Amino acid sequence: GAVVSQHPSRVICKSGTSVKIECRSLDFQATTMFWYRQFPKQSLMLMATSNEGSKATYEQGVEKDKFLINHASLTLSTLTVTSAHPEDSSFYICSAGTGLDTEAFFGQGTRLTVV
Amino acid sequence: GQNIDQPTEMTATEGAIVQINCTYQTSGFNGLFWYQQHAGEAPTFLSYNVLDGLEEKGRFSSFLSRSKGYSYLLLKELQMKDSASYLCAVMDSNYQLIWGAGTKLIIKP
Repeated sequence: GAVVSQHPSRVICKSGTSVKIECRSLDFQATTMFWYRQFPKQSLMLMATSNEGSKATYEQGVEKDKFLINHASLTLSTLTVTSAHPEDSSFYICSAGTGLDTEAFFGQGTRLTVV
Repeated sequence: GQNIDQPTEMTATEGAIVQINCTYQTSGFNGLFWYQQHAGEAPTFLSYNVLDGLEEKGRFSSFLSRSKGYSYLLLKELQMKDSASYLCAVMDSNYQLIWGAGTKLIIKP
């Protein structure tokens, strides 16, 4: 199956700093990438959908100035958590597809801890 | 509104069979997915159903009834490694995935 690589897998940062998470589709062109976050014992929550070359579409309640998403190429999308705070600590997962897939290919996830 | 319902937790015995149910109400339907998620890891794809009926894939099978808004994931010959959360997700008319909260499956020896 298709491979989506997400990096880093774990990151610890200080409060107030910014963290960038990368999501790469290794063997296919991802026209659409999804970013999710998951709190412990809760479902995946979609944060935003990004299409290559255009601005991301954010879900209600997600601050676009805080969670910057860039999808500059068909194989790379990045999520930058700006001015991170402890409440941003979570598991962030990306998934990639060609838009009308019958399955979503997930990255490995990034566990962010803000101290 | 859109919602996906599945049991929060289930317990089963190694070697046995377990059925995890999922009911859904969504704006349109473009398929139902089952994912397995081990603690601290990203979900991995298990199955996809878009037509009514049973899809079998090794020890795992998934069933769909669109008229009832119902699906189940059947796991046979349970192994300890099957202890995980199982997520049901429906793709709506906008091709967006609507996620259930997941069912935590505990396997006992």
